[in-house]
Amino acid sequence: QQQVKQSPQSLIVQKGGISIINCAYENTAFDYFPWYQQFPGKGPALLIAIRPDVSEKKEGRFTISFNKSAKQFSLHIMDSQPGDSATYFCAASMSPHKIIFGKGTRLHILP
Amino acid sequence: DTEVTQTPKHLVMGMTNKKSLKCEQHMGHRAMYWYKQKAKKPPELMFVYSYEKLSINESVPSRFSPECPNSSLLNLHLHALQPEDSALYLCASSPIGTGIQPQHFGDGTRLSIL
Repeated sequence: QQQVKQSPQSLIVQKGGISIINCAYENTAFDYFPWYQQFPGKGPALLIAIRPDVSEKKEGRFTISFNKSAKQFSLHIMDSQPGDSATYFCAASMSPHKIIFGKGTRLHILP
Repeated sequence: DTEVTQTPKHLVMGMTNKKSLKCEQHMGHRAMYWYKQKAKKPPELMFVYSYEKLSINESVPSRFSPECPNSSLLNLHLHALQPEDSALYLCASSPIGTGIQPQHFGDGTRLSIL
């Protein structure tokens, strides 16, 4: 019940396309859902986050869609660029200091 | 550049050595964290300090010893490590406030145990 399931493991998208990464959770006590982006040799960087009272949040080309009844959330990257190539982690949290990470998606954008 | 600074960036040590990892932040955050990340895996929480007091220890072996000397600094003392401890060690910090606050990560120390 503490898991966050993330798919796909890896994703290849053409430049200009839409990248979609999906996550699912079981524990309805989770109330904060961040996405992290990690480049090789760097630490994870907070990309965008959502709380369950919101169904969608958009920041630039990045959008989180949240389906509370299905216990699923997803990251959409519009107009994907080669600079977006990175590993993306979805996560969930229900306590101030503990984040449950998904296993990650390695995204590669073809130039 | 990240606002959480970790030193050194790389560390190679033998199994009998003693070394320390350092982390510094000047964002006024009062929660600080150590994570371990193996290749192609998500970060795993090791320790949490809240107001300079250890609040969470995720059953980490005693060969890892954290220390929080003040609100800006976090150390991880290493002694008698094993080859399987080779990993990227990440420090993070977050504000403490109402509700869950975002964590900000440093770029890590890549540790290799010979």
